[in-house]
Amino acid sequence: GESVGLHLPTLSVQEGDNSIINCAYSNSASDYFIWYKQESGKGPQFIIDIRSNMDKRQGQRVTVLLNKTVKHLSLQIAATQPGDSAVYFCAETTGFQKLVFGTGTRLLVSP
Amino acid sequence: DAGVTQSPTHLIKTRGQQVTLRCSPISGHKSVSWYQQVLGQGPQFIFQYYEKEERGRGNFPDRFSARQFPNYSSELNVNALLLGDSALYLCASPASSTDTQYFGPGTRLTVL
Repeated sequence: GESVGLHLPTLSVQEGDNSIINCAYSNSASDYFIWYKQESGKGPQFIIDIRSNMDKRQGQRVTVLLNKTVKHLSLQIAATQPGDSAVYFCAETTGFQKLVFGTGTRLLVSP
Repeated sequence: DAGVTQSPTHLIKTRGQQVTLRCSPISGHKSVSWYQQVLGQGPQFIFQYYEKEERGRGNFPDRFSARQFPNYSSELNVNALLLGDSALYLCASPASSTDTQYFGPGTRLTVL
């Protein structure tokens, strides 16, 4: 079946470093991808999205890259801050706005 | 402009009981989706409703049901609760012109 997975369960970085969180997806028909940030006890918070007709999209301190050839998605966070510590999920749509999530990557930022 | 709201925040039930969770989508938006998030995992799709009609259903047993009201708010019902139903239940509402889903704070259900 369809699945979205993450390569690294935990990523530890120093404050000020750039962080890269990776995601592999298996459904080549997916045409929309979203990154969410989830802090403990809270609902997922939208970070950035990208459609399949793009390969890069930038936001404030965040960039998403999409490589459809190898079905790979990444989230880059510039100048990582302690407030960025959370679990990050990628998700893909498979029609009717149903989202398929991976298991998440925990980002730990040390001061 | 209110986002997605959910109630209650926390709920404790015992096995075999029934539970009803509530969600109000972003004001004016007609679609609501429900997700279950077990601790340590990503959210799993349960239902999507649009204009009071079920538009999609995930791989969940018939003990799970939902409905959407004329004001687009929604209820998720779970019957005959099992310990494995303990999870964070999330409601999501899409933005009006994109596919982006915005999530509410969730309802933490604990089944004892």
